Amino acid sequence: DQQVKQNSPSLSVQEGRISILNCDYTNSMFDYFLWYKKYPAEGPTFLISISSIKDKNEDGRFTVFLNKSAKHLSLHIVPSQPGDSAVYFCAVSAGGTSYGKLTFGQGTILTVHP
Amino acid sequence: GAGVSQSPSNKVTEKGKDVELRCDPISGHTALYWYRQRLGQGLEFLIYFQGNSAPDKSGLPSDRFSAERTGESVSTLTIQRTQQEDSAVYLCASSILVGTEAFFGQGTRLTVV
Repeated sequence: DQQVKQNSPSLSVQEGRISILNCDYTNSMFDYFLWYKKYPAEGPTFLISISSIKDKNEDGRFTVFLNKSAKHLSLHIVPSQPGDSAVYFCAVSAGGTSYGKLTFGQGTILTVHP
Repeated sequence: GAGVSQSPSNKVTEKGKDVELRCDPISGHTALYWYRQRLGQGLEFLIYFQGNSAPDKSGLPSDRFSAERTGESVSTLTIQRTQQEDSAVYLCASSILVGTEAFFGQGTRLTVV
């Protein structure tokens, strides 16, 4: 039972264009959402987060959008750069008895072509 | 160091042997997590510690897996009688408070032959 799904295993984008990475979750109790980036042979690095009281958070080229009614999270990168090529994971956490456990999606491999 | 440190970075072990993986979290971080990533798969939650509270062990795949943490410092993940399916990258992360942004170490690549 996958609670967090990234349905696109890979995404290819031209440099300078927008990259849109998507994430769907099933549990409405999730109230904190994060995106991580991972390069080969490195641990994931935190990118950006959003709490359930907001629907948008922006940090430079990275914007995260949250649609609670659709249980959908997306990460926009604009403009995309070749150095953004990596695996992107969304992660969620919830209150209550599950508080603290970050649950990750399967990841999307982003390739930005020069 | 300023980041999460894991050792060893690589470990090759024979099936049936026990292994111990170490994690040094960022100083001051009360929460510590263990995840693993098997080849071609996502991050799989194993266990987390939050201060002196009882750890959440709900992700440990079998009783061959155990973890300990001393206060708010070092943690060790022990796998007894390793099996080939235990081969994975084991990632440790820490955060100031549980449920907030977690910072990951580089991982320990475990290969069971």
